[in-house]
Amino acid sequence: EAQVTQNPRYLITVTGKKLTVTCSQNMNHEYMSWYRQDPGLGLRQIYYSMNVEVTDKGDVPEGYKVSRKEKRNFPLILESPSPNQTSLYFCASSYWDRGKETQYFGPGTRLLVL
Amino acid sequence: AQSVTQPDIHITVSEGASLELRCNYSYGATPYLFWYVQSPGQGLQLLLKYFSGDTLVQGIKGFEAEFKRSQSSFNLRKPSVHWSDAAEYFCAVGARNTGKLIFGQGTTLQVKP
Repeated sequence: EAQVTQNPRYLITVTGKKLTVTCSQNMNHEYMSWYRQDPGLGLRQIYYSMNVEVTDKGDVPEGYKVSRKEKRNFPLILESPSPNQTSLYFCASSYWDRGKETQYFGPGTRLLVL
Repeated sequence: AQSVTQPDIHITVSEGASLELRCNYSYGATPYLFWYVQSPGQGLQLLLKYFSGDTLVQGIKGFEAEFKRSQSSFNLRKPSVHWSDAAEYFCAVGARNTGKLIFGQGTTLQVKP
């Protein structure tokens, strides 16, 4: 089954304690992204990657890091989480072919930073 | 700057009534446009998308959307709403060949019995 998986699904942590949210896709997609969703703001892109070792900042990259060492994985790293990073996070992967794109979203990771 | 505006934060319709959710975008070139739905506690599901060609696009669950370049709009419609359509709906514009999507703020749909 084609899917994007995220782990963990729920996480409670404390300010300053480094954490990683993993994202994996089994569709061999080139493009992957991370978004955060906050009430009244919709989804905002944090980082995206167009291929292995190719990443770029989205609209709200501050406080986050990413890496893309393998095509299937795109972890999101919070080196020193702060309460304003409490949010719902979505990973997505997409495949472009002749101008047509299909984007798949993961189930989301709900993060609470105390 | 690229942006998406969904003017209605919250809409309530009666079951069986027609629905139109508004979406306006700002984009420098011909946009790729999407509508997603998010049910409570769920991820995002793609309803439909527009890339080019016919400006009226059909999606899943009986939804359709019409791209109007002159109005910079991509409104979502459904002729008869079902209670299971209650969810949050997001319009998004895509930048070509980047995997980057810009989302609107979302519209929450409530369906009255």
